Amino acid sequence: EAEVAQSPRYKITEKSQAVAFWCDPISGHATLYWYRQILGQGPELLVQFQDESVVDDSQLPKDRFSAERLKGVDSTLKIQPAELGDSAMYLCASSHRDRGGEQYFGPGTRLTVT
Amino acid sequence: GNSVTQMEGPVTLSEEAFLTINCTYTATGYPSLFWYVQYPGEGLQLLLKATKADDKGSNKGFEATYRKETTSFHLEKGSVQVSDSAVYFCALRSSNSGYALNFGKGTSLLVTP
Repeated sequence: EAEVAQSPRYKITEKSQAVAFWCDPISGHATLYWYRQILGQGPELLVQFQDESVVDDSQLPKDRFSAERLKGVDSTLKIQPAELGDSAMYLCASSHRDRGGEQYFGPGTRLTVT
Repeated sequence: GNSVTQMEGPVTLSEEAFLTINCTYTATGYPSLFWYVQYPGEGLQLLLKATKADDKGSNKGFEATYRKETTSFHLEKGSVQVSDSAVYFCALRSSNSGYALNFGKGTSLLVTP
């Protein structure tokens, strides 16, 4: 069964450092989402891609966060510089080209900023 | 904007007990409603969904009915098992949010033998 892959699974970094997360969606899925899940909360959308284009990044803190999906396949989310409040689980999800399709989630990257 | 409110946990039940986790929503238009489950150390998995009013989603003994008149989508199971221990998230998706999911805060369920 195809799955969404994410790496690393865990990341510890010091504040002010740069950190990057990688996501490989299910093959053929045109829509890719990055969510942030703070401990004890539900996931919240950071950015949504349709192919290589950003559809919604209204909740992405653009002064420090960036996301790209250059070839419309895998994606990278970067934080620079990291802050203590960025400690969270970062989840990637993908869905088929039909934007109403079911979203499949990866295992997430747990980030701890010290 | 869209929002989801679900009952706070943790919920602790004995095996074979009846489970209800309440979920209400606020949305414009006609959202689709979902329950996701997150087992310890794992990602989110879709448990069930309903796409229009009065639809009932069901999976693995869990059920939820889309009630537009009460804007609710309560999750129920008649007899829980220890293996159902997880965090459950209610979510909605609508076209006016670009089909991204709006999640509730999650309800932690612990089932004891």
